[in-house]
Amino acid sequence: SQTIHQWPATLVQPVGSPLSLECTVEGTSNPNLYWYRQAAGRGLQLLFYSVGIGQISSEVPQNLSASRPQDRQFILSSKKLLLSDSGFYLCAWSSQVLRANTGELFFGEGSRLTVL
Amino acid sequence: GQSLEQPSEVTAVEGAIVQINCTYQTSGFYGLSWYQQHDGGAPTFLSYNALDGLEETGRFSSFLSRSDSYGYLLLQELQMKDSASYFCAVRPGGFKTIFGAGTRLFVKA
Repeated sequence: SQTIHQWPATLVQPVGSPLSLECTVEGTSNPNLYWYRQAAGRGLQLLFYSVGIGQISSEVPQNLSASRPQDRQFILSSKKLLLSDSGFYLCAWSSQVLRANTGELFFGEGSRLTVL
Repeated sequence: GQSLEQPSEVTAVEGAIVQINCTYQTSGFYGLSWYQQHDGGAPTFLSYNALDGLEETGRFSSFLSRSDSYGYLLLQELQMKDSASYFCAVRPGGFKTIFGAGTRLFVKA
């Protein structure tokens, strides 16, 4: 069966510090990978998605970046965090098979980031 | 731009039926999905509609009208554990999925 892991689960970082969140998927190959951010009590904002190694689509201009160094690994980074980067970051994967596919997203447990 | 509109909050009593509406404006449309999220947890997939009509999965049903850019999630025989946030989501094209702001459902005894 497929599983998705992301870490760390919780982190508190000072403004201006770097960030690295990591996500890995097991049990499937060539998944679509996504990073979403959720502010407290709000919806999910799509930040980045990737359909293959080294292929990253950015949805929101910001000081965050994403990389996909391996097929099932997705990393979210920042060189200098802002207060507004605080939130709940969710990694997700979906199958690339579109035919008769619901496009169901399978989410990791999330990483809660507080920037002080 | 692309937008999905849904009510921010809904309150209902245990055993009742509740409907959560979603209207969308997107550049393309491959299908409408619904996700459930409990406090502090990750969203989980509930249902998907690509064509007009009603899809039923146990106590949950989802409806889509493509001509009206409208859908809803129907929850029957409400239970306390159904208290959660519910998100509608649209695939406007390819592999991208965008979400509404979510509807917070409170189920009262």
